Amino acid sequence: AQTVTQSQPEMSVQEAETVTLSCTYDTSESDYYLFWYKQPPSRQMILVIRQEAYKQQNATENRFSVNFQKAAKSFSLKISDSQLGDAAMYFCAYRTGNQGGKLIFGQGTELSVKP
Amino acid sequence: DAGVIQSPRHEVTEMGQEVTLRCKPISGHNSLFWYRQTMMRGLELLIYFNNNVPIDDSGMPEDRFSAKMPNASFSTLKIQPSEPRDSAVYFCATSGLHEQFFGPGTRLTVL
Repeated sequence: AQTVTQSQPEMSVQEAETVTLSCTYDTSESDYYLFWYKQPPSRQMILVIRQEAYKQQNATENRFSVNFQKAAKSFSLKISDSQLGDAAMYFCAYRTGNQGGKLIFGQGTELSVKP
Repeated sequence: DAGVIQSPRHEVTEMGQEVTLRCKPISGHNSLFWYRQTMMRGLELLIYFNNNVPIDDSGMPEDRFSAKMPNASFSTLKIQPSEPRDSAVYFCATSGLHEQFFGPGTRLTVL
């Protein structure tokens, strides 16, 4: 069975600085997707970024980028130029390559941003 | 598109009562998922449907929980009878080609 692990329950960053959130996963599949979701206090789950396992290039969305190390089964999220609005719970998630497959979530990392 | 719509947003009920949570998926999305979020267990899948057919209900805790998807634009999650340990946030999500989009969730409190 696939598992997702986030080893940092809490992280803190100074406004305008860079922070990296860690995620590791375990799977025997070769075709899968990885995601980072953001959950602010409003509890809405917001998709931050997606990475296809077959792509070697790391995904980037504005200030958010990932470091995808397939052999190491590592998928970290880097947030550059941190803003107060980035404060939230961040979840790493895994999905099989089959369209419509369920998400398996990590335990989450709570990020605080200091002004 | 309005996104995934869930109702109610908040529900407070007493132990033993029936609870029905509702979800309207994004039009054109063929997969629908029900997740539950608690402090102890995090986010976990309860059940999901592809083309209105239940595919995996292994996450449904027990027979008190049931889910239906009578058509492509509506799904319900029912708990009967409810218990205090069912208190949680319940999310409905629907899937396009790659990503899952979540509704705002229903916060359920069972007293």
